Amino acid sequence: QVQLVQSGAEVKKPGSSVKVSCKASGGSFTSSVINWVRQAPGQGLEWMGRIIPTLGMADYAQKFQGRVTITADKSTRTAYMESSSLRSEDTAVYYCARSPWRGAGDYNYRYMDVWGKGTTVIVSS
Amino acid sequence: ETTLTQSPAFMSATPGDKVNISCRASQDIDDDMNWYQQKPGEAPIFIIQEATTLVPGIPPRFSGSGYGTDFTLTINNIESEDAAYYFCLQHDNFPPTFGQGTKVEIK
Repeated sequence: QVQLVQSGAEVKKPGSSVKVSCKASGGSFTSSVINWVRQAPGQGLEWMGRIIPTLGMADYAQKFQGRVTITADKSTRTAYMESSSLRSEDTAVYYCARSPWRGAGDYNYRYMDVWGKGTTVIVSS
Repeated sequence: ETTLTQSPAFMSATPGDKVNISCRASQDIDDDMNWYQQKPGEAPIFIIQEATTLVPGIPPRFSGSGYGTDFTLTINNIESEDAAYYFCLQHDNFPPTFGQGTKVEIK
């Protein structure tokens, strides 16, 4: 079973960028899709986007398109979420979460079966 | 986008109670509904897959039901360790969306 370990908390200035990592151990990284989900204080969870590491293909929720970039490094079994032009509303806990991937041609969205513990990002001047 | 309306937002239960949490979808999502448990500072735990399937390793006091737009997570004989935040996720329609969550307190 894949386990996901995320990078540590970050404090950023408005207008700057942040890059959060998510390292997978155990299980098959190449049979996985990595999603990024965030939860702002007092708010519900929000899906940001995902990447299929084997294909290097990412897609995004419309809200995050153009400001968030999700990448993956198969050699280190690590996925990354970079968010730019940060504003106070981006203060949140950011989670990575794994979905199963069934191979070439599978672009379906699926359940998320393993989650990281989350990375707190605080945007404050 | 499919909106998930989860209720209640908060509930308090006594050990041994039966607890129901509802998640209603704004459109038909077949059985593409999932449930999670989260405790403070911990990663969410996957407990119910595709509306009704108990994830291996999850105690059988947890169960899920529903299809289409109305779904329920049931916890039978609730225990103190079940105090947590529970949320639903649909993956039928793009983008995947979540319910607002339910905080369950055990008296």
